Amino acid sequence: GQSLEQPSEVTAVEGAIVQINCTYQTSGFYGLSWYQQHDGGAPTFLSYNALDGLEETGRFSSFLSRSDSYGYLLLQELQMKDSASYFCAVLRDITAGTASKLTFGTGTRLQVTL
Amino acid sequence: ETGVTQTPRHLVMGMTNKKSLKCEQHLGHNAMYWYKQSAKKPLELMFVYSLEERVENNSVPSRFSPECPNSSHLFLHLHTLQPEDSALYLCASSQDSVSNEQFFGPGTRLTVL
Repeated sequence: GQSLEQPSEVTAVEGAIVQINCTYQTSGFYGLSWYQQHDGGAPTFLSYNALDGLEETGRFSSFLSRSDSYGYLLLQELQMKDSASYFCAVLRDITAGTASKLTFGTGTRLQVTL
Repeated sequence: ETGVTQTPRHLVMGMTNKKSLKCEQHLGHNAMYWYKQSAKKPLELMFVYSLEERVENNSVPSRFSPECPNSSHLFLHLHTLQPEDSALYLCASSQDSVSNEQFFGPGTRLTVL
């Protein structure tokens, strides 16, 4: 079956760096995505890694190790507005290449404090 | 604004009611999705449509019935729901059915009494 594990909660101080880890087990793996969801809001796409290594987008970076079935989201120079839930999601094949699906983790609630 | 709209934003219904959720995307995408989000649980994929054809039914009870009349619109018809079906129902779309980026609507908060 498929499973994803990520911490349920993380607290960090404004201006700090925080890393949210995600480990997964799945078949038909395409890549690992990260989504942000503020309370009462819709999930919004942050990043996607299909290959091993680090992808950087501004203050956010995402890392993938396919051999370790592991990835992380790195948030730098934290701001109060970064307080939200962060979901890792595995993109995997469901119809031998013609369709895929996202399977989400339970989310990590990040609280940024002063 | 993600380009995906959902109506209604909030819905309260009894177990014997019939209601429909509507989703519309203005992005020219070819794939659309229904998700269920309950408290303390991961987003659960319910249905996937690609070019108006259903390609995935994730073991969803028959009291949930999707409809995709064209690539811009997606409905979720609800009947004889249970209180445990109360959740946030999210619609999403993507360029095609193998895209890695999905765009989510704001969701419909459903309460079943």
